[in-house]
Amino acid sequence: QLQLQESGPGLVKPSETLSLTCTVSGGSISSSSYCWGWIRQPPGKGLEWIGSIYYSGSTYYNPSLKSRVTTSVDTSKNQFSLKLSSVTAADTAVYFCARLGMSTKKLDCWGQGTLVTVSS
Amino acid sequence: QSALTQPPSASGSPGQSVTISCTGTSSDVGGYDFVSWYQQHPGKAPKLMIYEVTKRPSGVPDRFSGSKSGNTASLTVSGLQAEDEADYYCSSYAGSNNFVVFGGGTKVTVL
Repeated sequence: QLQLQESGPGLVKPSETLSLTCTVSGGSISSSSYCWGWIRQPPGKGLEWIGSIYYSGSTYYNPSLKSRVTTSVDTSKNQFSLKLSSVTAADTAVYFCARLGMSTKKLDCWGQGTLVTVSS
Repeated sequence: QSALTQPPSASGSPGQSVTISCTGTSSDVGGYDFVSWYQQHPGKAPKLMIYEVTKRPSGVPDRFSGSKSGNTASLTVSGLQAEDEADYYCSSYAGSNNFVVFGGGTKVTVL
C-alpha cells in the first residue's frame, strides 16, 4: 500500500529557506503515471497548491509561489523535496505531499502533513 | 483568495442531502473534466472522494456524487450521516501553467 511521509524542520526563521522531504513507500516514484506534489494549508484556512515534479524532473509550480519554490526528486531514495525561500510568517502552514495522477489529475494519496512555523 | 469559489458552509439533517457548488472559469472547471473533491476531517489529511467530475474511488460510498455544468461543479452528499461532517474542497486542473487550483472549502455540518 502506497504511503507518503513528510519530514523536515518544524520551525524556520523569517527570510530563511524552508526545506521538506517526502518519502514514498509501497510504490515507485519513477512511475510514468504519476507526478508528486506539494500542497499547504495555513492554520484554519484552505488548501493551496504549491507545485509538483515528475520523476524525470519536469516541474509545475503555482505562479504565485514560482519565484520562491524549487522541487527535486531522488529516485534512488524514492523521495522528492521542496524548498521555499525567503519565508515569512505567511508561509506558516501544514505542508502535505501527495501523489497526482498524470491522466486523471487526482490527488489520490496524501502524506499526513507536517506543520512548519515561521518565527524568529 | 482561492481560484475556485465555494460556499463557506452547508448543512443538513441526518438522512437529508446537501449539495456544494464550486465555481471557476473556462480556464479551469469549465475547460477540463478534471474536477476532484476532497473530504478533510479536523487534523487529518484530505481524502479523495470524487475525481474526473463524477468518478468515485474504490471505498467511497455511493452517497457521494459529482456533476458539472459549464464553469460550476457540484458535490452532492445524499443520506447524510454524522461522519460526513467535515470540510470539503474542490479542485480542478487549470492547464500546464497553473496545473491545479483549489476552492476555499465548505464546512458541512450534520444537524
